[in-house]
Amino acid sequence: NAGVTQTPKFQVLKTGQSMTLQCAQDMNHNSMYWYRQDPGMGLRLIYYSASEGTTDKGEVPNGYNVSRLNKREFSLRLESAAPSQTSVYFCASSLGLAGLETQYFGPGTRLLVL
Amino acid sequence: SQKIEQNSEALNIQEGKTATLTCNYTNYSPAYLQWYRQDPGRGPVFLLLIRENEKEKRKERLKVTFDTTLKQSLFHITASQPADSATYLCALGHNYGQNFVFGPGTRLSVLP
Repeated sequence: NAGVTQTPKFQVLKTGQSMTLQCAQDMNHNSMYWYRQDPGMGLRLIYYSASEGTTDKGEVPNGYNVSRLNKREFSLRLESAAPSQTSVYFCASSLGLAGLETQYFGPGTRLLVL
Repeated sequence: SQKIEQNSEALNIQEGKTATLTCNYTNYSPAYLQWYRQDPGRGPVFLLLIRENEKEKRKERLKVTFDTTLKQSLFHITASQPADSATYLCALGHNYGQNFVFGPGTRLSVLP
């Protein structure tokens, strides 16, 4: 039981390049999330998926797209990376969508955009 | 706009003492408040959840209080140990929809 896994762990991109961050969970959770974490700003929600087949914008969605491939997998795509997207990205999952549910986080992807 | 503040960026205390971390919020009426621990290079890990109608919650050496009048939660670690050194995040949520907001965190260092 691996919980939430993310790939890659580290990535360096040049401005304008694209990439996809992968996330998978094996807890049969319905809801999945993508956050970014920057120094002094806490975790900010980029996109979330309440259930398979649905996605919605969070607080900071600009410059990102997501795909809920199936119940297990939720990917985040940067179409044209910018230096402002340098951050640590966390994927999380929870059984349901509400403040009552515990979120389980992956180990993070550290992204540097030059 | 909604705002969450945690007492300070960093807090240093001596081993054996009680650490008290603060989470204050404005322009928000959460139904739940959660506390997470985050170690360097890792994702946050859930610790405790407290509902708006609960005053206090305990788990082993951890205690959380929730005062909706003051719009504040206090997180206490009693008999602190160096292994408790980490960043602690508070997060506020509603019953419905995705309006789950994290605070910036407080980095706790417990000195031996």
